[in-house]
Amino acid sequence: AQKITQTQPGMFVQEKEAVTLDCTYDTSDPSYGLFWYKQPSSGEMIFLIYQGSYDQQNATEGRYSLNFQKARKSANLVISASQLGDSAMYFCAMREITGGFKTIFGAGTRLFVKA
Amino acid sequence: SAVISQKPSRDICQRGTSLTIQCQVDSQVTMMFWYRQQPGQSLTLIATANQGSEATYESGFVIDKFPISRPNLTFSTLTVSNMSPEDSSIYLCSVATGGDQPQHFGDGTRLSIL
Repeated sequence: AQKITQTQPGMFVQEKEAVTLDCTYDTSDPSYGLFWYKQPSSGEMIFLIYQGSYDQQNATEGRYSLNFQKARKSANLVISASQLGDSAMYFCAMREITGGFKTIFGAGTRLFVKA
Repeated sequence: SAVISQKPSRDICQRGTSLTIQCQVDSQVTMMFWYRQQPGQSLTLIATANQGSEATYESGFVIDKFPISRPNLTFSTLTVSNMSPEDSSIYLCSVATGGDQPQHFGDGTRLSIL
């Protein structure tokens, strides 16, 4: 069964610094996708970045990059040059491609950016 | 990306009653899902809404409590039946167009049971 683990309930980062949010996963499906979402206090779910299990390079989207270590089954999100607006809840998610495409979410990490 | 309209946006209901939540997408989508997010927690998948057939429910969720319809590729409903205070949550509709495509979410329905 697929499983997603985020072990950091809360993280603090100084504005303009980089921060890494941890995510580990478990699956027996050789084909899967990993996603990161941001949920600000307004409640909307904002897609940030995607990494496919067969992608050779780490995904990047602007200030977001995904540190994908397949052998360790980790998919950490790196946010560079943190901004006050980055304060939010961050969820790691995984989809098994051969498992009906359902996506499960980790417990989340609440990020606080300090001025 | 798909635009998802979810109604109602919020409701306060009496225990023992039922509420139907609607999810309308502005384009045809292959995959449609319903999630629940209890206060301060993560998203839990309730079921996959299958077009023209019965929904596929996750462990801990049953059709009698959360009946789902999906008559076509752009619309689905989730009913929360015989509500109790434990059902107070945000219910989210979500869609995806492919295995490597991100899921997009509606704004959610904030449900409070008195």
